[in-house]
Amino acid sequence: DAGVTQSPTHLIKTRGQHVTLRCSPISGHKSVSWYQQVLGQGPQFIFQYYEKEERGRGNFPDRFSARQFPNYSSELNVNALLLGDSALYLCASSLDELGGGYTFGSGTRLTVV
Amino acid sequence: QKEVEQNSGPLSVPEGAIASLNCTYSDRGSQSFFWYRQYSGKSPELIMFIYSNGDKEDGRFTAQLNKASQYVSLLIRDSQPSDSATYLCAVIVVGGSNYKLTFGKGTLLTVNP
Repeated sequence: DAGVTQSPTHLIKTRGQHVTLRCSPISGHKSVSWYQQVLGQGPQFIFQYYEKEERGRGNFPDRFSARQFPNYSSELNVNALLLGDSALYLCASSLDELGGGYTFGSGTRLTVV
Repeated sequence: QKEVEQNSGPLSVPEGAIASLNCTYSDRGSQSFFWYRQYSGKSPELIMFIYSNGDKEDGRFTAQLNKASQYVSLLIRDSQPSDSATYLCAVIVVGGSNYKLTFGKGTLLTVNP
């Protein structure tokens, strides 16, 4: 079975641009969540989606948005990129919001220059 | 007070020793508790989850939860050099219909041959 897949793996963007990151959950998983991880820190929660509904939002500005599609895949969008948005963006899927742990994808390394 | 705090590292143990990793959390509404392992440049990998007070053992790993003390720990017996990684404690906090997986900063463990 395929694990959580994220695309792209690496991305370089210029300040002010927009970026879309994609995530496909493990088959059968209905919950997807997004995290930002900067070097030396634990992942920071951005969004949680379950059955296409937003179930949680972290302390990130409105420049960050996300959605979940009927096939449970998800997109994370970031507008007006700042240098400080450079990070590893992780997607995790689970059966539901509490179900036995979240499985992470390999992440997207975003560099804003 | 940070929501999830881990014992400051780095932690260094000799091969074959017991490594003890500790974590405290601030929200008494926390329901689910996880330990993840993250190798440098990789995404977090779930080691164990625990929901109820007491101990849970899986091979060389034992997770301990004490909800009254808001404390969760991970013991690694017979530590191996391949256990060298950053260990992340994570907690799910539920607020209404919102679910938030919150991570600590992580503890870097080095197992010396």
